Amino acid sequence: NAGVTQTPKFQVLKTGQSMTLQCAQDMNHEYMSWYRQDPGMGLRLIHYSVGAGITDQGEVPNGYNVSRSTTEDFPLRLLSAAPSQTSVYFCASSYSKFDNQPQHFGDGTRLSIL
Amino acid sequence: KQEVTQIPAALSVPEGENLVLNCSFTDSAIYNLQWFRQDPGKGLTSLLLIQSSQREQTSGRLNASLDKSSGRSTLYIAASQPGDSATYLCAVKPRDDKIIFGKGTRLHILP
Repeated sequence: NAGVTQTPKFQVLKTGQSMTLQCAQDMNHEYMSWYRQDPGMGLRLIHYSVGAGITDQGEVPNGYNVSRSTTEDFPLRLLSAAPSQTSVYFCASSYSKFDNQPQHFGDGTRLSIL
Repeated sequence: KQEVTQIPAALSVPEGENLVLNCSFTDSAIYNLQWFRQDPGKGLTSLLLIQSSQREQTSGRLNASLDKSSGRSTLYIAASQPGDSATYLCAVKPRDDKIIFGKGTRLHILP
């Protein structure tokens, strides 16, 4: 089982550049989400989706866009990278927002903005 | 607003000891609580999930308890091993809202 796959694993960007972090799951999960993890801040929710075509904002959505055209994929777009977006980004999925099943996480994308 | 606290932030214990990690939360109206393990440079792996109607869950050497009324959960690790060294995070899911994570306890098992 591939589970949740994130690409790339590492990325360095210059301020102002844009990029897309990819996330794919093969478990037919409806609920997918993006988190960022920063030292001393814990995990913070950026955006989430409860199914194809439906997305919503989390705690820290500014500077990020998402779309969900298929059940499997949930890409995160940085529109104009800023040094404050240097972080480790995790994608997670579960069957639904309202179930009692555990969340599955990808291995993360480590992003540095110069 | 729901807040999740894990104390201590870091813990070192000799191999073979039994240990308890603590998690507290401010709002008892939760749907479930999960304990995760995170190894350096890796994502989170779910260890145990306790539904709001349950008091505990067990998996191998791990036992997690939940006391909603006091806003507390513990993760008990029996006969600790160096391979248990990792960061352990707890997360609560409020009803009709998003999962809230604690900042984790960094555990180091001394050989």
